[in-house]
Amino acid sequence: DAKTTQPPSMDCAEGRAANLPCNHSTISGNEYVYWYRQIHSQGPQYIIHGLKNNETNEMASLIITEDRKSSTLILPHATLRDTAVYYCIVRALSGGSNYKLTFGKGTLLTVNP
Amino acid sequence: DAGVTQSPTHLIKTRGQQVTLRCSPKSGHDTVSWYQQALGQGPQFIFQYYEEEERQRGNFPDRFSGHQFPNYSSELNVNALLLGDSALYLCASSLASGGGYTFGSGTRLTVV
Repeated sequence: DAKTTQPPSMDCAEGRAANLPCNHSTISGNEYVYWYRQIHSQGPQYIIHGLKNNETNEMASLIITEDRKSSTLILPHATLRDTAVYYCIVRALSGGSNYKLTFGKGTLLTVNP
Repeated sequence: DAGVTQSPTHLIKTRGQQVTLRCSPKSGHDTVSWYQQALGQGPQFIFQYYEEEERQRGNFPDRFSGHQFPNYSSELNVNALLLGDSALYLCASSLASGGGYTFGSGTRLTVV
């Protein structure tokens, strides 16, 4: 799986959009970009994933650059409950979900009141 | 809620002892993966079980072993515990045919 680079920490004001960047310059054509988050003392939670088109669900939006070398996770209206470590992971989807996830250190997002 | 269930939630063991951690996958899932998360680090892949066999393994010594039962539940066993084995152990379940992972809340293991 390709390696990702994320800033170690970010701050965001409550109610504002949180934009979390991720660099994955060595991503392969068959690799997807996945985002998970981990709230303190809980297991990681799936947020969103995409291949090359922008994606949106009830939790967040994912913007992937045209060359696919970087992406941004957007939480449109951050709340205090969004304070967590956010992990950007790239992995191939072949073989179903049997492919392991390779986590980095992620970005600690702190949402301030 | 039919999510991933792990037991126990917390555990304290002495160096040299053996430990068994348990995981019940999300209803309908057939694949179980185990991860170790040291303090301040991201989860590290230990191994994955499907159809009661180990399918993939990360860079962990043979002291770490596992098992999957016919009902898809799984156990992680660690022998000859070291202080460095202290960590949060996470279980994730998934469906071999596709889809995402669902993680449990983990077992916090402390080795003293």
